[in-house]
Amino acid sequence: RKEVEQDPGPFNVPEGATVAFNCTYSNSASQSFFWYRQDCRKEPKLLMSVYSSGNEDGRFTAQLNRASQYISLLIRDSKLSDSATYLCVVNGDSGYSTLTFGKGTMLLVSP
Amino acid sequence: EPEVTQTPSHQVTQMGQEVILRCVPISNHLYFYWYRQILGQKVEFLVSFYNNEISEKSEIFDDQFSVERPDGSNFTLKIRSTKLEDSAMYFCASTQGGGGADTQYFGPGTRLTVL
Repeated sequence: RKEVEQDPGPFNVPEGATVAFNCTYSNSASQSFFWYRQDCRKEPKLLMSVYSSGNEDGRFTAQLNRASQYISLLIRDSKLSDSATYLCVVNGDSGYSTLTFGKGTMLLVSP
Repeated sequence: EPEVTQTPSHQVTQMGQEVILRCVPISNHLYFYWYRQILGQKVEFLVSFYNNEISEKSEIFDDQFSVERPDGSNFTLKIRSTKLEDSAMYFCASTQGGGGADTQYFGPGTRLTVL
């Protein structure tokens, strides 16, 4: 069974804090990895893809460790608008593009 | 920016009734997907569709479900005889290519409530 596991949360942090989310996946044949953001009762929206070399987009840094089947997301200088659920997402094997989602970790940033 | 649209935003139906959920994918996209999210749970893959046929489906997508692209723009999900446990948010998504790294763009979802 292909699973993606995430910290259950919620994470309550003050504005300006740095917060890290962790994720593990079970399907070693997975090829592509993503972090999506989901606001309450809204659709998932792509935050960033995750590459083996690690990648950064402004305040967001994603890391992938294929050997450990582990993905992380670091958010620096948290803003109130970062409050959302962060979904770790992995694609299927053999290049199929169906996505397997983690349950998500909720982040609440307070003033 | 082009976006995936879905109608209706909320559908309420009686158990045993048929429902059709509609999606308009991004116009130059070729691969289409349906996902569902039961309240408080994770997003789950239902089915993928390319070149007018199903390319992959999950164990959730049983004989009660069907998909269709009736014309050049719409992509529909039909549930033949709804059950209480079909109550969920249903998201349509589309991609331009079928590769695993292609970004899937999600529509705003249809909230289905089965009474």
